Amino acid sequence: AQSVTQLDSHVSVSEGTPVLLRCNYSSSYSPSLFWYVQHPNKGLQLLLKYTSAATLVKGINGFEAEFKKSETSFHLTKPSAHMSDAAEYFCVVNKKGSGGTSYGKLTFGQGTILTVHP
Amino acid sequence: GAGVSQSPSNKVTEKGKDVELRCDPISGHTALYWYRQSLGQGLEFLIYFQGNSAPDKSGLPSDRFSAERTGGSVSTLTIQRTQQEDSAVYLCASSRDNTDTQYFGPGTRLTVL
Repeated sequence: AQSVTQLDSHVSVSEGTPVLLRCNYSSSYSPSLFWYVQHPNKGLQLLLKYTSAATLVKGINGFEAEFKKSETSFHLTKPSAHMSDAAEYFCVVNKKGSGGTSYGKLTFGQGTILTVHP
Repeated sequence: GAGVSQSPSNKVTEKGKDVELRCDPISGHTALYWYRQSLGQGLEFLIYFQGNSAPDKSGLPSDRFSAERTGGSVSTLTIQRTQQEDSAVYLCASSRDNTDTQYFGPGTRLTVL
């Protein structure tokens, strides 16, 4: 079984300050982990993914996440928030298949709404 | 290239009616997934298709829900005798195969009155 917990339902930051969105996972297998972003009334967009390569993963729009097996965490960070970053963010876990790729159905966290103040 | 498309974007129906939601995956993608996003339950897996294999239906909430995928491309999610608790955004995703990153469509917002 696998699950994912996003530790904050809402995060509020000022423009230009760092962003930290926290995620812990539980998986019976070595997981694949993802962060997706959803802007209002839009579909889900992939920010970044971890399969089995480097533990520090860089994504789009300046976001990155670090896989920490000992802490079972996959927190999302960005050094400087922009107004356009305001959205809902989902941490997602999947079973990892052979070769380090993921497969099948995704399990989503409950989401973190990021608000960016001017 | 074109992404995953879904239609309709919005659907309002009366309780007890049947609805059909359509998904057009990215061309060449062999895996197709349906998810549901609702206020109370968050994002939940419903069903997925991979090539010619039998679909994984383990997430379907009741036998009122069914889905088919014709010709390995377009998929239709059907909800029979809709209930108010079926109101949600239904998201479709596709991937090159079931080991690859999933790309999501914009969703269909279903409202059951």
